[in-house]
This record gives sequence, structure tokens and C-alpha cells, in this order.
Amino acid sequence: AQKITQTQPGMFVQEKEAVTLDCTYDTSDPSYGLFWYKQPSSGEMIFLIYQGSYDQQNATEGRYSLNFQKARKSANLVISASQLGDSAMYFCAMREYTGNQFYFGTGTSLTVIP
Amino acid sequence: DSGVTQTPKHLITATGQRVTLRCSPRSGDLSVYWYQQSLDQGLQFLIQYYNGEERAKGNILERFSAQQFPDLHSELNLSSLELGDSALYFCASSANQGAGNTIYFGEGSWLTVV
Repeated sequence: AQKITQTQPGMFVQEKEAVTLDCTYDTSDPSYGLFWYKQPSSGEMIFLIYQGSYDQQNATEGRYSLNFQKARKSANLVISASQLGDSAMYFCAMREYTGNQFYFGTGTSLTVIP
Repeated sequence: DSGVTQTPKHLITATGQRVTLRCSPRSGDLSVYWYQQSLDQGLQFLIQYYNGEERAKGNILERFSAQQFPDLHSELNLSSLELGDSALYFCASSANQGAGNTIYFGEGSWLTVV
């Protein structure tokens, strides 16, 4: 089974609107971390936000927030007030306490329309 | 700037050749990861080192090898190169292992095999 699933290959959003990028995960480990990365067309992978499995509150970093629904095993990224510079690939990732690997999803390509 | 340094940024080489990609992790980070990103395969985990020791192995070909040196920098050696090895190769580092440790990526090395 896939550890990380991103079902939206591509998304479009109007500038200044909010957008939600979906991510579901699969693990039996009670302790894990969830991460989102942004990859603009220039190629670099930029860390955006982290959520721990025991965190009671949803993580927020500026315009990014993580909608963590533990029972549903989902960790959706919400970008508020989209900007043109938000156009990029977004990857969801998970790290389990018991393992060394990071598991990445296949990514969602976000295009912000002026 | 993530603090992870990769060299070279771009290289073009012929089939059958050998190249070495170099990575300096963030100051103080003990763990180094190598990933390959190609258009058709997405982001593939290759190998992880922690304080000089190999800790996890992913889809790394036998033609590829890596090591982490006492000063914690790492090298990924790619030999008998094939056209299909053309990809963006990322190095990433984290302070430690465990669910809460974020990995930070370098800017990547773009490899083109002709």
C-alpha cells in the first residue's frame, strides 16, 4: 500500500483565493511526522510545514496551515491568499518514528491564475 | 537557503561514464539522504547515512554507491551511466533520525546523460 497518497495531479486557484491540497497517509506507527514541501520550476525542494502525530493543534506557518485529521489519516495543506509565486509542485511526506525513511507522495502541481 | 550544499549543480556526461555528486549537510546534521527525481519515476529514495554509517537503502542501483565521510559530507557515485540515469539528484540532511526531524534539501544536481 502507498504510504502517502496525493490524488490531485493538478490544481488551479485564482490569485488571492485559498486552496487545499489533499494528502492521505498510511501507517500503523503511533508516532510519525507529516511534512509538506514546495518545488518551484527552478527545482529546489523547500520545506513548508510540519505536523507531529501527537500535536493537538493544526500546524500553521504564515499563509500555510495543515489540516490534520488523524482518524481519517489526512494531512491537507491549506494555502491562504494565493500568490503567483505559489505556483509549484507540492509534495506531502511522512516519517515514521520506527523507520529512517521519508515517504513522499507523487505531488500536486498548483497553478495560480492572475 | 537550506544550508545543504550540492555540487555540481549541472553536469552533462556520456553513456558509460562515471560521475561523483557531492553533498555537504547543514551544520550539525548527522543524517544524509540521497534522492533521485525523474519525470517518469517521481521522487525516489536511494540511500541514507547517519554519522558515517549506512542506515537505509531504497531503490539504489548496483551501479550506484555512496558514502558519508568523517566530516559528514557525502558522495554519490554513479557509474556505467545510462540514458535513463538522467535526473535531478537531491541530497538532504536532518539533525537526527526520528519522526520529528525535518529533512532539508539541497538545490540538487542536474545530471544529463547523452
